[in-house]
Amino acid sequence: DSGVTQTPKHLITATGQRVTLRCSPRSGDLSVYWYQQSLDQGLQFLIQYYNGEERAKGNILERFSAQQFPDLHSELNLSSLELGDSALYFCASSIPDSGNDLNEQFFGPGTRLTVL
Amino acid sequence: AQKITQTQPGMFVQEKEAVTLDCTYDTSDPSYGLFWYKQPSSGEMIFLIYQGSYDQQNATEGRYSLNFQKARKSANLVISASQLGDSAMYFCAMREWGNNRLAFGKGNQVVVIP
Repeated sequence: DSGVTQTPKHLITATGQRVTLRCSPRSGDLSVYWYQQSLDQGLQFLIQYYNGEERAKGNILERFSAQQFPDLHSELNLSSLELGDSALYFCASSIPDSGNDLNEQFFGPGTRLTVL
Repeated sequence: AQKITQTQPGMFVQEKEAVTLDCTYDTSDPSYGLFWYKQPSSGEMIFLIYQGSYDQQNATEGRYSLNFQKARKSANLVISASQLGDSAMYFCAMREWGNNRLAFGKGNQVVVIP
């Protein structure tokens, strides 16, 4: 158990819908990262938040957005869903990010999203 | 551009034998970290081992060791005394200084057979 929690574990929805994925980082971790794992794209970084503020952005679609709340949990919002958005979405956290550290990221169990 | 390359096909390994998983990387940053993660069929990503670019010695964590050859830009994972529970996908990843994201390779599939 990494200490990172994600809910829900599975999500099945229809095209055009909107969903919210939730992540709670390990106790004491200020950085939260979101990754998408799909068969064709592999594991891709989406976005990072540090202590409530967006820190880095990767291959995140405009239909997707995220935020980190004062209690440090984070939510990833996916809207206007398409079939191709079906994937495993991971949240990861790392120990306090002093700016540009190289500490390992601990991953949550993931949310498997299926868009029908 | 692909930064992490894992090209080995799926591997079958006899229980109790050692297995080496290849990983090469590409970066011009002198400061970076290399990571290996295990993903069993259940889907979770499990951190295994870390090697910093300035580390003088190869990293080891229990049965996992990292064969770090900086000049060749390779960071191969060695799993000793394979166990049935080692059957999984293994991902090599890199994080560069000033770039908080992890860049992952495509993964290596390992199946341990009794």
